[in-house]
Amino acid sequence: DAGITQSPRHKVTETGTPVTLRCHQTENHRYMYWYRQDPGHGLRLIHYSYGVKDTDKGEVSDGYSVSRSKTEDFLLTLESATSSQTSVYFCAISDSGTVYAGWDFGPGTRLTVT
Amino acid sequence: AQKVTQAQTEISVVEKEDVTLDCVYETRDTTYYLFWYKQPPSGELVFLIRRNSFDEQNEISGRYSWNFQKSTSSFNFTITASQVVDSAVYFCALSGTYNNNDMRFGAGTRLTVKP
Repeated sequence: DAGITQSPRHKVTETGTPVTLRCHQTENHRYMYWYRQDPGHGLRLIHYSYGVKDTDKGEVSDGYSVSRSKTEDFLLTLESATSSQTSVYFCAISDSGTVYAGWDFGPGTRLTVT
Repeated sequence: AQKVTQAQTEISVVEKEDVTLDCVYETRDTTYYLFWYKQPPSGELVFLIRRNSFDEQNEISGRYSWNFQKSTSSFNFTITASQVVDSAVYFCALSGTYNNNDMRFGAGTRLTVKP
């Protein structure tokens, strides 16, 4: 199994509070991704990173920011959480910008915003 | 824009039945990649297969087989002699070459295999 961990695995927070989710990899892969999974939508890309301090937006980036100061860590921040951000968040990694390399996914973080 | 449609929201079969999960995609890219992932009740995402648009050869892996047809923009997945352990949500996904960091997923099909 690819070395990907996510923390926390579960979190309940109140509307308006900031939340940071962490993705940590031990594979030294260049590319890292944050997805959210919602019923009826499958997985949707929030942000991705193609190197340290290099990030770009995905399909559903509004309300989220990311940072990557080290190869191994990719942080997803909800500056002011809303109930619509209740979801399961998955991190993924890839060792190449080519899709052929595929993605390995982390175990997921279940976030509930009350 | 790229889009993946999995019209079957839920499928329920009895063990040992064959079952086909449908996937239809839309893309303007001439080169693209298609994927199937499995998400068992434990929640993790398990990679099953990847195909590129130049390779329409169908593939069989044990009880799993995939039928890729560019003419109908479909990439269907068949499980032969289903087992209870096949119960999961299955996602079809697509990524093109213009922005191959944006993998688009279908909504998923929940398969329940009853004993």
